[in-house]
Amino acid sequence: RKEVEQDPGPFNVPEGATVAFNCTYSNSASQSFFWYRQDCRKEPKLLMSVYSSGNEDGRFTAQLNRASQYISLLIRDSKLSDSATYLCVAQNTGNQFYFGTGTSLTVIP
Amino acid sequence: GAGVSQSPSNKVTEKGKDVELRCDPISGHTALYWYRQSLGQGLEFLIYFQGNSAPDKSGLPSDRFSAERTGGSVSTLTIQRTQQEDSAVYLCASSLSQGGIQYFGAGTRLSVL
Repeated sequence: RKEVEQDPGPFNVPEGATVAFNCTYSNSASQSFFWYRQDCRKEPKLLMSVYSSGNEDGRFTAQLNRASQYISLLIRDSKLSDSATYLCVAQNTGNQFYFGTGTSLTVIP
Repeated sequence: GAGVSQSPSNKVTEKGKDVELRCDPISGHTALYWYRQSLGQGLEFLIYFQGNSAPDKSGLPSDRFSAERTGGSVSTLTIQRTQQEDSAVYLCASSLSQGGIQYFGAGTRLSVL
């Protein structure tokens, strides 16, 4: 079983829509969680960290559910520029970071 | 520069040749990671350096892969006797401290013919 699993999509949504991605992790001892964004043929860039209490950054909201071992990312009022692949990341106690294979999002005009 | 720098950006080599990939982390970052990303795949952890500690090599796929980090800064990833399945983008990341947020370089796209 993979450490981190994501629905690869693709998600095709119209501008202005709300879209949510989920990600599950297998190691209950995982300590920290992140969402990264990766544009086509570019390097991953940190979108946001995920905290137990949930956190929001503008149109983006991330939540962590330790009991069910999943994290989520909600994007409101989607923009064309949100089109990218979103990578879920879990950090274990050994300081290794496990990346999901990513969820592809395309926002359509 | 301010970011993680990797070179070369692209490398084409023949099967059986050795290649060296270079990563120059953000100044002051003590942790350095190497990952591999194949087409349509997620990032595969290869190796992790933290300060002067022994590196975590648990992700290296075979003994043809090795990495060094000299002086706690620049790192080189070496692949000996390259195979076609080694073709991928090799990404380097650094973080200020152990377990901190990682910042990635633009990667080296390796093609083994």
